[in-house]
Amino acid sequence: ETGVTQTPRHLVMGMTNKKSLKCEQHLGHNAMYWYKQSAKKPLELMFVYNFKEQTENNSVPSRFSPECPNSSHLFLHLHTLQPEDSALYLCASSQASGTSGTGYQETQYFGPGTRLLVL
Amino acid sequence: AQSVSQHNHHVILSEAASLELGCNYSYGGTVNLFWYVQYPGQHLQLLLKYFSGDPLVKGIKGFEAEFIKSKFSFNLRKPSVQWSDTAEYFCAVNPYNTDKLIFGTGTRLQVFP
Repeated sequence: ETGVTQTPRHLVMGMTNKKSLKCEQHLGHNAMYWYKQSAKKPLELMFVYNFKEQTENNSVPSRFSPECPNSSHLFLHLHTLQPEDSALYLCASSQASGTSGTGYQETQYFGPGTRLLVL
Repeated sequence: AQSVSQHNHHVILSEAASLELGCNYSYGGTVNLFWYVQYPGQHLQLLLKYFSGDPLVKGIKGFEAEFIKSKFSFNLRKPSVQWSDTAEYFCAVNPYNTDKLIFGTGTRLQVFP
């Protein structure tokens, strides 16, 4: 248990569905991250939030929409996904100083991930 | 494009053997460097990191990594592996002053007793 929880742990959805992934951290951190882990591909950073502001969007398609209502919660809203979006979605958090590029100086703590299958 | 290469996709060792996992990156500027580990059934966790100073970095569980700037490399080493080191190891690069973090494809290490 790292102090970062993700729900649901497994999700199956059709291409026309709308669903949301939730991440919550109990570590008092102020930076949160979404990653995508696909089979046989590098782990991909999707979004970064520092102090609730999005500071990185790694060319992610608009069918993925992040939301960070406060420093403890991070959501990933999903709509009209494609089968190739099936993957493990990981959330992480860390203590950032507020200056871009230094969020990684402090250790990132990862959640267990949500295993997503798009049919 | 910036990328991270881990040439060893699958490594099999016996206990007490020495380990070196390669990591090379393509980025000409200043970088911060990381090794992450994912043990079977567990969360991804940080093994060690380099930001500045001594290019030889020591991490948890007896691991170390050496940053060689001229070779754009950050290889991970351990003099004597244990069965409990069986895991997947990921190298990652953060270009300085950005929030980007670029991962390699990972190396699966299996250690047999």
